[in-house]
Order: sequence, then structure tokens, then C-alpha cells
Amino acid sequence: ETGVTQTPRHLVMGMTNKKSLKCEQHLGHNAMYWYKQSAKKPLELMFVYSLEERVENNSVPSRFSPECPNSSHLFLHLHTLQPEDSALYLCASSQDRGSASYEQYFGPGTRLTVT
Amino acid sequence: GQNIDQPTEMTATEGAIVQINCTYQTSGFNGLFWYQQHAGEAPTFLSYNVLDGLEEKGRFSSFLSRSKGYSYLLLKELQMKDSASYLCAATDSNYQLIWGAGTKLIIKP
Repeated sequence: ETGVTQTPRHLVMGMTNKKSLKCEQHLGHNAMYWYKQSAKKPLELMFVYSLEERVENNSVPSRFSPECPNSSHLFLHLHTLQPEDSALYLCASSQDRGSASYEQYFGPGTRLTVT
Repeated sequence: GQNIDQPTEMTATEGAIVQINCTYQTSGFNGLFWYQQHAGEAPTFLSYNVLDGLEEKGRFSSFLSRSKGYSYLLLKELQMKDSASYLCAATDSNYQLIWGAGTKLIIKP
């Protein structure tokens, strides 16, 4: 498999559930990102990892917890979510962080619905 | 604050030309990206501009004016498959991407 993959593609969860989103990149990149995409809103950067170290956390609620066990895998652990957290969650990777010209490669996203 | 503005929606005719504009205000500037996103799919990279001027890549071209905080994406010989959202994103001084909300382009036969 090539590029950036995400599982599951669709997830419906109750507010009291715990679930995890998985992202894997096969590009040999050093930086990985989690984004939230809501309808008609700009992409919201949630977390950035560079060489497996978290370098940014943009005031994301603690009910979202990222994990980066190695440079190829990224997880987003979810617990006690709210209905307003329903959105498309995109994972992306880039060669490095700290150089503006490196484009990001995105996965297909997980469509999350919180009931 | 940091901000990206682009039209919400545009409509064009198959075979025609369309220009999607983007204005940005960022803390520092390290370049501007355009991405294409088909409905239900991942955004894919189209272009990157850091110097003033026009970059041409097949049917797609991207222009940047740093002094005006302005960019546009020009799509020529439109095809039905070009129906998608087009995302503009500027890189700030911390190399963080600031994203616009996207322009949904509808192509009519």
C-alpha cells in the first residue's frame, strides 16, 4: 500500500464510548498531522508530530488524545465526545516540518458522527 | 489575526476558464499552497508559490503577489472532473499552514 491510509473510514459513536482513529503513512515522512474538517469551515490543525515528538497542540480539548508510536503511525484516541465533534478527521504527513515548501499528503479521512 | 479569504462557491462551464481568488493575512509568510479536494476524498496538492509571479502546470496555473497578499488559481479548458473544492493555504512564520474554508467549484455542461 502507498500514501496515507486511515481507518476506519466511518465511525458512529455514543458520547460515552471510547474509540481510536488510526493513520499510517508509507512515504518515509518525518512529520504527521491531525486535522478536523467541518462543513464550510477551514481545516483546523489539531496536533503535529515531528520525528515522533509532539510539537504542537492547538488548544484541543483533552477528550482528544494523540499517540505517535513511530514515524509511520499516528493514532487519535477519543473519549466522552460531544455532538459538535462530529466532523471529518484527516491525517496528513510531510517530509519534514520547518520547511515551507514541503507539501502535505492527506489520507482519505474518518467521517465521525457522535450521537 | 491570521486569515484566509476565498469565495465559497463558483460555477463555470465545461471548456471555459475560471479564476479562484485567495487573499491572506498571516504573521510572516513562507509561501502559499493550493489543494484540490473532491467530495468525500482527501485533499491533494496542486501548487506552491513563494515568489511573485505565475507558475504554470498544465491546465492549472497559480499566481502570487506578496505585496498584495493575493493569489489566484487559474483553471483552463475545464472538465467535469474539475468539479471539486479548492483550498488555499498560506504558511506563516512558524511554518504552520493557515487554511481557507475552500471554494466549491461547480462545472456545468
